[in-house]
Amino acid sequence: AQSVTQLDSHVSVSEGTPVLLRCNYSSSYSPSLFWYVQHPNKGLQLLLKYTSAATLVKGINGFEAEFKKSETSFHLTKPSAHMSDAAEYFCVVSAYGGATNKLIFGTGTLLAVQP
Amino acid sequence: DTGVSQDPRHKITKRGQNVTFRCDPISEHNRLYWYRQTLGQGPEFLTYFQNEAQLEKSRLLSDRFSAERPKGSFSTLEIQRTEQGDSAMYLCASSPSSDRALNTEAFFGQGTRLTVV
Repeated sequence: AQSVTQLDSHVSVSEGTPVLLRCNYSSSYSPSLFWYVQHPNKGLQLLLKYTSAATLVKGINGFEAEFKKSETSFHLTKPSAHMSDAAEYFCVVSAYGGATNKLIFGTGTLLAVQP
Repeated sequence: DTGVSQDPRHKITKRGQNVTFRCDPISEHNRLYWYRQTLGQGPEFLTYFQNEAQLEKSRLLSDRFSAERPKGSFSTLEIQRTEQGDSAMYLCASSPSSDRALNTEAFFGQGTRLTVV
């Protein structure tokens, strides 16, 4: 079975400092992995996805993530946090079984950005 | 706006009442999903449609829940005899068909927040 574990429920950074949101995955085959962001009162938005091509994936708003098979990790990073980055972030693995392509979400990491 | 649309955005109902939510996916997306998100948790998969066929239902979906997608376009999710434990955000998502199904991301609506009092 596929699953993801987000190692931090809350992360707080200062504006302009780096962001690191940690995610480990479990999958019996080569996974597809995603990061979604959820701002208050807004829908889930895809930040980036890993599709078994390049292991370093660049997303929107300056975010990127690196797929490390040896560590079963897919951590999300950003060099410099902006106030608008404050939101909840979900690491997601795609679980393909039969005809279904459902997404399995982690429990989320709430990112706070201090001025 | 050509994104996934959900209606209503908010619903307050008394325990025991029936409620129905609607989802309009992105046009030409033949895959449609329902998820449920409770406070402090990530979304949990409820059910999946490919066109009008409901191909998978989660064990979370009790007999009081039913979903339909009669013409392969919009979908409805009905909860009968609501309970306080049904209070949650109900999210709909759609995605296009792809041979590389694992790589296809889902596009989410803003959700319907249900409060059962």
